[in-house]
Amino acid sequence: KAGVTQTPRYLIKTRGQQVTLSCSPISGHRSVSWYQQTPGQGLQFLFEYFSETQRNKGNFPGRFSGRQFSNSRSEMNVSTLELGDSALYLCASSHGGSLVNTGELFFGEGSRLTVL
Amino acid sequence: EDKVVQSPLSLVVHEGDTVTLNCSYEVTNFRSLLWYKQEKKAPTFLFMLTSSGIEKKSGRLSSILDKKELFSILNITATQTGDSAVYLCAVYSGNTPLVFGKGTRLSVIA
Repeated sequence: KAGVTQTPRYLIKTRGQQVTLSCSPISGHRSVSWYQQTPGQGLQFLFEYFSETQRNKGNFPGRFSGRQFSNSRSEMNVSTLELGDSALYLCASSHGGSLVNTGELFFGEGSRLTVL
Repeated sequence: EDKVVQSPLSLVVHEGDTVTLNCSYEVTNFRSLLWYKQEKKAPTFLFMLTSSGIEKKSGRLSSILDKKELFSILNITATQTGDSAVYLCAVYSGNTPLVFGKGTRLSVIA
């Protein structure tokens, strides 16, 4: 079956702009998580959505937001971009149900954001 | 706050060497520890460990968990250049998201 799909794969923005990233999870997966990966900090959790509801949120400013649609696809938005937002943004999906959730995540290829 | 620490942060070995990567953790309500390999972009799943002392093995890779001492190791024997990657350790505690360590960057030179 198809894996996790993220678009766009690469993008370049300037400071102050906003960006929207998209993620389509594996069919049947209801949980979508977003991570920011930078060389110095590793993978840092942004948020998780399950059945269109935000279930967990990491320690990022309010400029970072997300949502999930009824078909489980998810978007994340970053407003008023800063140079420090340059990173690889990874989306991951899982079944998400408490009885079957073993924690294993299936990652997309990521969206590489460069802020100039 | 849940915490995962990996060591070393990077290492360089020659083909054929054996390496051991370490992962220690502090987490409430531990459920599982996972290892991922990240070569270019998407981390790919290697192992999931839930019980102490039971070795998981896949080819030249193996991993074991010690829930008493709160750590796991990932062993790679007879390393090849294709093993060059960042190896990520993560812990899962139920309703909270996976918490990742910063990873170990392994470089295998011919």
